[in-house]
Amino acid sequence: GQQVMQIPQYQHVQEGEDFTTYCNSSTTLSNIQWYKQRPGGHPVFLIQLVKSGEVKKQKRLTFQFGEAKKNSSLHITATQTTDVGTYFCAREGGTSYGKLTFGQGTILTVHP
Amino acid sequence: DAGVIQSPRHEVTEMGQEVTLRCKPISGHNSLFWYRQTMMRGLELLIYFNNNVPIDDSGMPEDRFSAKMPNASFSTLKIQPSEPRDSAVYFCASAQLGYQPQHFGDGTRLSIL
Repeated sequence: GQQVMQIPQYQHVQEGEDFTTYCNSSTTLSNIQWYKQRPGGHPVFLIQLVKSGEVKKQKRLTFQFGEAKKNSSLHITATQTTDVGTYFCAREGGTSYGKLTFGQGTILTVHP
Repeated sequence: DAGVIQSPRHEVTEMGQEVTLRCKPISGHNSLFWYRQTMMRGLELLIYFNNNVPIDDSGMPEDRFSAKMPNASFSTLKIQPSEPRDSAVYFCASAQLGYQPQHFGDGTRLSIL
């Protein structure tokens, strides 16, 4: 239905390693949003992808939207301890305009 | 600019008591969302408003939960009577319109004993 599946659920990396989280949908997405939540904090909007095959970069973060608009990924190059947190993708809720459905999130820990 | 303001930040109360959570959205935003976050269920949308009108309350778990938005700058989420399984972090978020990015408050950490 309107769910988005995120993998992996957890990722532990050494500082300096790369990290990727994936967001998959069984139905076509009109757009996808990504959020980051630091431990003990609240979700913070990172980016929105709209176009098929779109790639956007924010410093060490690279966001991609699949050609079929059914999947998306977030890649972090050379992780730092400040990257620790949970990364969520979120899709439109479908029948209710404005409603976002969040994935379960990927929890990233970075060992110094 | 002030962000989304929620109060209280923490609430500890005994089961059966009424709990009221408050939210002030960002000025100029006309969409407001209430979420609940737990380890088991993740981030769940409870209800959201557009222009102070409830649009989708399908996520409200049961009749013990109610939400109001009497004006553009204030919303409440009420639980009566509260139960231990209601323990969670409750977030309020606002957006300018529809699918614009949502801005979250710091949340209310609720513990029902």
